[in-house]
Amino acid sequence: QVQLQESGPGLVKPSQTLSLTCSVSGGSVNNGNYYWSWIRQPAGKGLEWIGRISATGSTKYKPSLQSRVSMSVETSKNQFFLKVDSVTAADTAVYYCVREFRSGSGMFNYFDPWGQGTLVIVSS
Amino acid sequence: SYALTQPPSLSVSAGQTATIPCSGDNLGEKYASWYQQKPGQSPVLVIYQDVKRPSRIPDRFSGSNTGNTVTLTISGTQALDEADYFCQAWDNGVAVFGGGTRLTVL
Repeated sequence: QVQLQESGPGLVKPSQTLSLTCSVSGGSVNNGNYYWSWIRQPAGKGLEWIGRISATGSTKYKPSLQSRVSMSVETSKNQFFLKVDSVTAADTAVYYCVREFRSGSGMFNYFDPWGQGTLVIVSS
Repeated sequence: SYALTQPPSLSVSAGQTATIPCSGDNLGEKYASWYQQKPGQSPVLVIYQDVKRPSRIPDRFSGSNTGNTVTLTISGTQALDEADYFCQAWDNGVAVFGGGTRLTVL
């Protein structure tokens, strides 16, 4: 079964760029039935969808984050990536990479499975 | 922006039925998913497309969608069901999560 694993620096300085990698095993990012999403969760708080990417590189971002977020995919390595520019303390969170089931209309999409998450702290 | 509202906490006695609501404008016209998150763990999908249950999820978990409220029901609640539960729906192509409900099993 598919498994996802996040990796990247656990500490990022304010105003710098947060960069994370998600490595997928047991399945292919090239599978057209799925998107590949990033979701974050500040400590003790709720879940926030950051955005998604398809195997062809098509992206959709949460509007409030769109100016600072970019995602990419490397199908040959079965990985996808997240960058968040100009980070502040408000970007401190556990970041999850997640497989998103893709439906024709988008209304039926859901998230399964989730990676184990990686904590990113923004601090000088 | 679109919002989903959940009660912050609920408690239920072991063996009883837990009902966790999630409300939002025109939610009846959307399709919701539910995720269970235990302390220190990643969320797990328990219900999708309002009423469908992944095969690995016990059949005591069920979902419904009526009007502007979707509901996660846990029948015969067990101690291991104690967790945070988040509803999620889509609005204009953006995923929106409820604030989460902490379920305590007494």
